[in-house]
Amino acid sequence: DAGITQSPRYKITETGRQVTLMCHQTWSHSYMFWYRQDLGHGLRLIYYSAAADITDKGEVPDGYVVSRSKTENFPLTLESATRSQTSVYFCASGPGGGDQPQHFGDGTRLSIL
Amino acid sequence: SQQGEEDPQALSIQEGENATMNCSYKTSINNLQWYRQNSGRGLVHLILIRSNEREKHSGRLRVTLDTSKKSSSLLITASRAADTASYFCATVFRGSNYKLTFGKGTLLTVNP
Repeated sequence: DAGITQSPRYKITETGRQVTLMCHQTWSHSYMFWYRQDLGHGLRLIYYSAAADITDKGEVPDGYVVSRSKTENFPLTLESATRSQTSVYFCASGPGGGDQPQHFGDGTRLSIL
Repeated sequence: SQQGEEDPQALSIQEGENATMNCSYKTSINNLQWYRQNSGRGLVHLILIRSNEREKHSGRLRVTLDTSKKSSSLLITASRAADTASYFCATVFRGSNYKLTFGKGTLLTVNP
């Protein structure tokens, strides 16, 4: 399913570096989301966007920055990576409306040394 | 804290058996959704049940919702090895503006 793609799939970087994870969807969904998945925590929402130029914090936003200049793209930036941000990151999109499912990418596995 | 909590954390069964997973949540919801995650992949939506519904079916899946107990169950009948995956419940609670809150998941292993 090529509707939502994340890049890169794997990334290794060092503490203090800036890293950007990319997310692109082809459905023109209004909503886009970033989650992180960690053992023992399940998925936790980092940031979400209801439309282009509209973003809001989720449960764990500290240390992350997002932007959404175009409907189809929603990059996530770690401005100064820390080891605690080692995780698997998932992007999702959805049309909104409350009763619609979200569609997930295959994730980016990020390791910070 | 997590809105949904699945039980059990892990479940191992034989092919052909039924698998039941449970989910509990804490506050009023608009709907509850179940997702599957195969190893190394993203989550795939399985089924959604609204707060005013009690039961829903989709193929071999049956979901129930008891809002008085704030709980849901997912039943997979006649399981197959390909059903091996992690299963997550996720809630959209009232006023959350389409945001999902996930539980920690149940790891289902179906042995051939």
